[in-house]
Amino acid sequence: DARVTQTPRHKVTEMGQEVTMRCQPILGHNTVFWYRQTMMQGLELLAYFRNRAPLDDSGMPKDRFSAEMPDATLATLKIQPSEPRDSAVYFCASGLVLGQRDGYTFGSGTRLTVV
Amino acid sequence: EDQVTQSPEALRLQEGESSSLNCSYTVSGLRGLFWYRQDPGKGPEFLFTLYSAGEEKEKERLKATLTKKESFLHITAPKPEDSATYLCAVQEASNFGNEKLTFGTGTRLTIIP
Repeated sequence: DARVTQTPRHKVTEMGQEVTMRCQPILGHNTVFWYRQTMMQGLELLAYFRNRAPLDDSGMPKDRFSAEMPDATLATLKIQPSEPRDSAVYFCASGLVLGQRDGYTFGSGTRLTVV
Repeated sequence: EDQVTQSPEALRLQEGESSSLNCSYTVSGLRGLFWYRQDPGKGPEFLFTLYSAGEEKEKERLKATLTKKESFLHITAPKPEDSATYLCAVQEASNFGNEKLTFGTGTRLTIIP
């Protein structure tokens, strides 16, 4: 089965450090999302790309977060500087346009802990 | 702004005891309603997409239905392996083609052997 690959699976970092999370979407998928999941807020959209172009990053704290797709096989989410409130599980998901038929496929996530 | 409310927050059932999970939504125009299953430590796994009121989809012991205001996920004769958190999400129809999904907070289902 095709899968979305996220690295690293776990990351513990100190407050103020830069964190980079990576995602390899399924080959051929042209839509990529970054979501953050916490117990209190559930899944929240951070950024959304179609054909590598950012279309919605309204959910992302722009002063410290950035998301890019340098090519069709790699999406990155960076936090600089990181803060304890950024501790969460970050998911990447990919799909074909409008997610029809097969929905969107999520990766296994990166569990981030900022101490 | 799109809103999705799921109930109950948690549900414990005996094996074989059928029940339903609810997803109420508010959206200016619905393009699709998605159901996902999430196991601990894993990402959400796609189950169904429903597009219009009256539509139904089935997969093994699960059946999803859709009205203009809510969706139900019916679980018939559940087994312990059906234990998971079930998430629903809405995708709004818009002129800008924004595909983002707005998720509810989920129902944590536990099936007791």
